[in-house]
Amino acid sequence: QKEVEQDPGPLSVPEGAIVSLNCTYSNSAFQYFMWYRQYSRKGPELLMYTYSSGNKEDGRFTAQVDKSSKYISLFIRDSQPSDSATYLCAMSAYGNKLVFGAGTILRVKS
Amino acid sequence: NAGVMQNPRHLVRRRGQEARLRCSPMKGHSHVYWYRQLPEEGLKFMVYLQKENIIDESGMPKERFSAEFPKEGPSILRIQQVVRGDSAAYFCASSRSQAGEETQYFGPGTRLLVL
Repeated sequence: QKEVEQDPGPLSVPEGAIVSLNCTYSNSAFQYFMWYRQYSRKGPELLMYTYSSGNKEDGRFTAQVDKSSKYISLFIRDSQPSDSATYLCAMSAYGNKLVFGAGTILRVKS
Repeated sequence: NAGVMQNPRHLVRRRGQEARLRCSPMKGHSHVYWYRQLPEEGLKFMVYLQKENIIDESGMPKERFSAEFPKEGPSILRIQQVVRGDSAAYFCASSRSQAGEETQYFGPGTRLLVL
């Protein structure tokens, strides 16, 4: 079993839809949770960073962490074609290496 | 306000040659991390370095791979005697302090192709 599970998709939605991306994890030592966006043949770009359970909002993006369920989510409101990319969840325990999910491919159709 | 810089962006090597990948962290960042992304797979941690020190190399293959972050100059990931299975995208990330307190920012990657 992988430490971090993420549905690879692809997830296809119409423009303006609310997108929900999720990851589950098995290591209860994870404390720091991140979402990165990666366009084709580019480096990962940090979107959201959260510590501990709860919600964090930044513009059209909301990150949720539920440590009791070992479940994290990223919501994208009013999705745009420019949001089409691969979304990677990442987490770390002791502040060094990040453990990534496999990434979910998102396609927003205009 | 330059981000993490990596060069070369693309590197082609024949089997048995050496590959050297360079990473310059963001200004003010003293922690460097290397990750590898194989085709159709997620990013996998390789090594974590601070200036002149390897902190965690638990993700590095035991043979042929080495990394350094000298007092002056960029961090180097070195792959000796490359094989086709080394073909991948190699990403460097940097943070101001230990990740978790400061998260990691990634460079554009070096795409290595071994013929």
